[in-house]
Amino acid sequence: SQQGEEDPQALSIQEGENATMNCSYKTSINNLQWYRQNSGRGLVHLILIRSNEREKHSGRLRVTLDTSKKSSSLLITASRAADTASYFCAPLNRDDKIIFGKGTRLHILP
Amino acid sequence: DAGVTQSPTHLIKTRGQHVTLRCSPISGHKSVSWYQQVLGQGPQFIFQYYEKEERGRGNFPDRFSARQFPNYSSELNVNALLLGDSALYLCASRGLAGAYSYNEQFFGPGTRLTVL
Repeated sequence: SQQGEEDPQALSIQEGENATMNCSYKTSINNLQWYRQNSGRGLVHLILIRSNEREKHSGRLRVTLDTSKKSSSLLITASRAADTASYFCAPLNRDDKIIFGKGTRLHILP
Repeated sequence: DAGVTQSPTHLIKTRGQHVTLRCSPISGHKSVSWYQQVLGQGPQFIFQYYEKEERGRGNFPDRFSARQFPNYSSELNVNALLLGDSALYLCASRGLAGAYSYNEQFFGPGTRLTVL
């Protein structure tokens, strides 16, 4: 199994600013997924990046993957109040089990 | 297309009782995983099932069990409930490519279990 560790644990930014959160993991992966969770609700799948990809975009989201450093970053541009949530990374390796970290709690200030 | 569905949405039980939670995966998905999420923590892996067989188990006591049916829906059973079992229980499904997954895992809305 593979655990992702998100950093920072909490992040507060002004609406309109960009938010960057990072994920580190320990062993080789097949892919890495990012999820968003609004308070007390299910996880929403944001984006999947494969181990042979370095960067991927989806709307205001930009994800990078550096397999040599075993790290990934999620950038949310032009943040909105609705982006307030917890964000989790989910690295996946051959044994196909996701072990979640504690996530990054993002708070967008009006 | 419907996403992953879970029932019930909320559930209140008392200590010592048992509970059954249900999950229907996305159509065509054969892999179902269960997670427990307590307040302030990330989801913790409980079980994974693929083609009705257990593929993995997290660090949970034998009071937790699960099964997957021929239509790929799944049940999570918890016996002898403890106060500490109060949590959000999440189900996720994935379409697998061959023996291992390269595809997205999608989560249901969860079942909020409260044990009094």
